[in-house]
Order: sequence, then structure tokens, then C-alpha cells
Amino acid sequence: TQLLEQSPQFLSIQEGENLTVYCNSSSVFSSLQWYRQEPGEGPVLLVTVVTGGEVKKLKRLTFQFGDARKDSSLHITAAQPGDTGLYLCAGAGSDYGQNFVFGPGTRLSVLP
Amino acid sequence: EAGVTQFPSHSVIEKGQTVTLRCDPISGHDNLYWYRRVMGKEIKFLLHFVKESKQDESGMPNNRFLAERTGGTYSTLKVQPAELEDSGVYFCASSQYRRVVYNEQFFGPGTRLTVL
Repeated sequence: TQLLEQSPQFLSIQEGENLTVYCNSSSVFSSLQWYRQEPGEGPVLLVTVVTGGEVKKLKRLTFQFGDARKDSSLHITAAQPGDTGLYLCAGAGSDYGQNFVFGPGTRLSVLP
Repeated sequence: EAGVTQFPSHSVIEKGQTVTLRCDPISGHDNLYWYRRVMGKEIKFLLHFVKESKQDESGMPNNRFLAERTGGTYSTLKVQPAELEDSGVYFCASSQYRRVVYNEQFFGPGTRLTVL
């Protein structure tokens, strides 16, 4: 059974600070996605990483896929209150995989 | 373009009753997925339709759950009879049918089910 762990579980920081959240597994994933979810809404896709070692940037967010495709990180620079939310990673286990395994999420709170 | 919609947004029922959740995917999306998150746990896959066919139903917890997608458009997920442990948020997602390594799934807002 493929499992994804995320750390930290909760994170509360001040506006302007930097932060990194992690997504780890003992399993290899063909692709890994990061989502952000706000209360009362479904997860919204931020990025998909596919290649081991891949780094993708989305404005102040930097995503990295581990070389072995077992782990990933999300780094936010100069966090803003609008970044507050639940950050989820999800992995696809097989090529053309449609069955995603989700991590439990990191709940981020950015205080003004 | 309308996103994935789910109905109802909330449902409170008593143990033993039946509840039917509905999902309308994005128009033109052949893939439709059901997921659920029970309290304190991660989102878990339930099943995947390609058009009207069940591609993968390995995540369905037991035979009290029945999913249908007649005509390959909207889908329903029926829980009969509902048990306390069925409480949670049920998400639907849809994506285009493409043979690529990854397919972006668009999620609906979820239906919060409470079984008393």
C-alpha cells in the first residue's frame, strides 16, 4: 500500500517569512501533485512534477521532486495571508495512473 | 466554463437511511472520480469512471456503496444503509481522457455527509 506523509502537520507563521513543507513516501510515484484547499472547497491543483529532481516555480512557490521520485517539497518565499490554506500532496502510482494517493496535508496559517 | 458541481453541499441523515450524492463533471470530461475524507484522515480514492464504465472501483469500502454514471454524464453515489463511519466529505473530480503520464483532475466542492 502506497502512503504519503506530510510534515509539518500544522504551521503558523508571520507574513513575510519563508517556509518549507515536505511530502515523503517509501514508494516511488510516476508523478506527484500539490494542491491547495480552502474551507468549503475542493482541492485546487498547484503543480504536477513528473521527473526525478525536477524543480518548478510558481511565483513565490517552488516545488521540487526528489531524485528517486519518493518525496517532494514545497517552499514558499515571503508568505502572505492569502497563502493560508491546507496544502496536499498526491501521488500517482503507475504510468497513466488515475488513482491518486493523498497525503494528510499541511495546514498553513499566515498571520498579518 | 462551469466547474465540477456537487449536490447536496451538506446532508444529515440517521443511521440506516439512504443518501444519494450527485456529481456533475466538467462538460466533455470522460473521466470522473469519487474520493472521500473521513474525519482526521487523508482523502481516499473510491472509484473511477471512464464515460459510463467503471475503470477502477478498488477504493469502494463495501457493498453499501453504489456508484452509477448513466449515459456517461453525471454520476451518483448511493449509500444504503448509511452507517456512522460513512460520515465525511465526499469529493468528485473530473478530467479529460488523455493517455499522458498525468491528468489534471478538477475537484468539486464536496458533499459533507453526517450520519447520526
